Amino acid sequence: DVKVTQSSRYLVKRTGEKVFLECVQDMDHENMFWYRQDPGLGLRLIYFSYDVKMKEKGDIPEGYSVSREKKERFSLILESASTNQTSMYLCASSFWDRYREQFFGPGTRLTVL
Amino acid sequence: AQRVTQPEKLLSVFKGAPVELKCNYSYSGSPELFWYVQYSRQRLQLLLRHISRESIKGFTADLNKGETSFHLKKPFAQEEDSAMYYCALSEPTSNTGKLIFGQGTTLQVKP
Repeated sequence: DVKVTQSSRYLVKRTGEKVFLECVQDMDHENMFWYRQDPGLGLRLIYFSYDVKMKEKGDIPEGYSVSREKKERFSLILESASTNQTSMYLCASSFWDRYREQFFGPGTRLTVL
Repeated sequence: AQRVTQPEKLLSVFKGAPVELKCNYSYSGSPELFWYVQYSRQRLQLLLRHISRESIKGFTADLNKGETSFHLKKPFAQEEDSAMYYCALSEPTSNTGKLIFGQGTTLQVKP
């Protein structure tokens, strides 16, 4: 059974803080993704990684960076958190193939005050 | 650019009524399409994919290339079908597995 875990379910941070969100998968997937989920906007891709140390910008990368030092771990970094980054963040992973299912983590609800 | 549109934010039906969740996409080639579902307090998960031509939990979806649609249908809605539904398109310009999601439709099935 595929497991995608995220480091926190709920997180409250202050404006200007550096925030780390971690995601770990245990199925040897090549691909890992970070999304924002906002009502009425659906899921928007922030960053995508298809291999260790490889990354691609998604649709909304501004204000975010990522790190993938190991295949199973993909971190999302908010360099200086702002209130408009208050959102639900979802991590997902999949094999390298356009026909393959993405497996999602439970999400991290981030509130920036 | 490829795009997925779900025109309804909320669809409310009574138990036993037919359900159709609309999804339109913009892509001229051979798309690969998916429906994902998120039940309350659960993680987002795959419901069905076009390539499998399967029926899951009574739901089916037919690709209509002429109308560029991939609507999700169920003949008789159940209360446990209440959830958020997302239509997604596998990005066809690469074989990476990236998905383009629609805005999502909340299905509310009333007793």
